[in-house]
Amino acid sequence: DVKVTQSSRYLVKRTGEKVFLECVQDMDHENMFWYRQDPGLGLRLIYFSYDVKMKEKGDIPEGYSVSREKKERFSLILESASTNQTSMYLCASSFTPGMASTNEKLLFGSGTQLSVL
Amino acid sequence: GENVEQHPSTLSVQEGDSAVIKCTYSDSASNYFPWYKQELGKGPQLIIDIRSNVGEKKDQRIAVTLNKTAKHFSLHITETQPEDSAVYFCAASIGTFGKGTKLSVIP
Repeated sequence: DVKVTQSSRYLVKRTGEKVFLECVQDMDHENMFWYRQDPGLGLRLIYFSYDVKMKEKGDIPEGYSVSREKKERFSLILESASTNQTSMYLCASSFTPGMASTNEKLLFGSGTQLSVL
Repeated sequence: GENVEQHPSTLSVQEGDSAVIKCTYSDSASNYFPWYKQELGKGPQLIIDIRSNVGEKKDQRIAVTLNKTAKHFSLHITETQPEDSAVYFCAASIGTFGKGTKLSVIP
């Protein structure tokens, strides 16, 4: 069964800590995405990557960075966690056949609920 | 950038009735419009999608309609069942989602 796996379901960190959220997909997808989900705000795109070592900013990249050293793994990094980064983080991947857009048919992980105290 | 507005934010229907959720978008260049269903404790799951060269698409009890001129598209669920209860998200362009609709189907 193909899937996107996020390393932690729940995570509690302290303000100022460096936080790594890991995501792995087993479908050989080119594209990978990080979203955050907050009540009343829906899903907001933080960063995405369409190839190894490539990255593009989404709508809310401030305070975050990403790393994609291997095709199957996409990491979200909070350099210095703050309380306003408490949120549900969702990773997704997609395959782009031909001229299709990179955001088509996203496959999501189950999410990581991050609490920053 | 793209702006997607989704209505209503909550929707309650009796089992067996139909449910309709509407989205509008701002970027006329958008050409792909998916709908995702998110059940409690899970990530969103794609349930149906439509491209801009098609006006309507149906998959069993679920259908999506698109009006490119008016820049809006809708999700239609017929003969609703309790397992349809979830949060539904529309999306347009790259990475832009609506804020979601919480659908409750009352047995």
